Amino acid sequence: NFMLTQPHSVSESPGKTVTISCTRSSGSIANNYVQWYQLRPGSSPTTVIYEDNQRPSGVPDRFSGSIDSSSNSASLTISGLRTEDEADYYCQSYDTNDRVFGGGTKLTVL
Amino acid sequence: EVQLLESGGGLIQPGGSLGLSCAASGFTFTAFPMSWVRQAPGKGLEWVSAISGSGGATYYADSVKGRFTVSRDNSKHTLYLEMNSLRAEDTAVYYCAKSTYNWNLIDSWGPGTLVTVSS
Repeated sequence: NFMLTQPHSVSESPGKTVTISCTRSSGSIANNYVQWYQLRPGSSPTTVIYEDNQRPSGVPDRFSGSIDSSSNSASLTISGLRTEDEADYYCQSYDTNDRVFGGGTKLTVL
Repeated sequence: EVQLLESGGGLIQPGGSLGLSCAASGFTFTAFPMSWVRQAPGKGLEWVSAISGSGGATYYADSVKGRFTVSRDNSKHTLYLEMNSLRAEDTAVYYCAKSTYNWNLIDSWGPGTLVTVSS
C-alpha cells in the first residue's frame, strides 16, 4: 500500500493564489490518476479535479490540477481565492489493490 | 442531473447489523461503478467499498473486509451496503458515490447518512 501526504492546513487572502500539495509515498504519481475533492463544513464532498487535471462541468477554471513526477506529487491550485473556497480538500489516487485518500488540507481564506 | 440519496443510517449497538441504500437517478445506472465512502467524526475520507456496473466485481477496504457486503439492483437503480459486526470505529457519515467509467474515481456524491455505533 501507499500513502498520500498533504499539508494539514494552508491559508491565504481573498484574490490570491494557493497551491495544495499531495505527495505519493511509493509507486509513480504518473501511473494512476489523481483526483481532488472539496468538502465544505456541513456539506457532502464535491469533485473539483479528476484524472490529474480535468475539471467537472460547473467547477470554475480558477481550480487547476497538475502532477510532478520529479517530486512524485500532485498539486491543486486555486486562483482568485474567494471566501466560499474555504473548505477541506482531499487528494485521492489508487493502485491495483487499493484506493487511497490523502489526510486532507484545511484551506482558510482570511 | 445525477442524484444520489442515501437512507438507512441510524443508531446501532456494537456487534449489530445495519443496511444502507442509495437511490440513484439522472444517469444510466447500469453503466457506472458505484462506491461507498465514509468520514468518521473529526477524521478524513475513507473509501469503504466499490462495485462494478454489472455487480460482478467488488472492492473492500481492509477495515471492513468480511463484515460489509456491497450489492446493487440495477432494475431498481439502487446501491446497497450491508454492514455486520459493527464496531464503534464504524461510526461515520456514509456517502454513496458514482464513479466515472474508471471505478477508481468519483464524480458525484450523495448527501450522506450518519451511522452511529454505540451502546
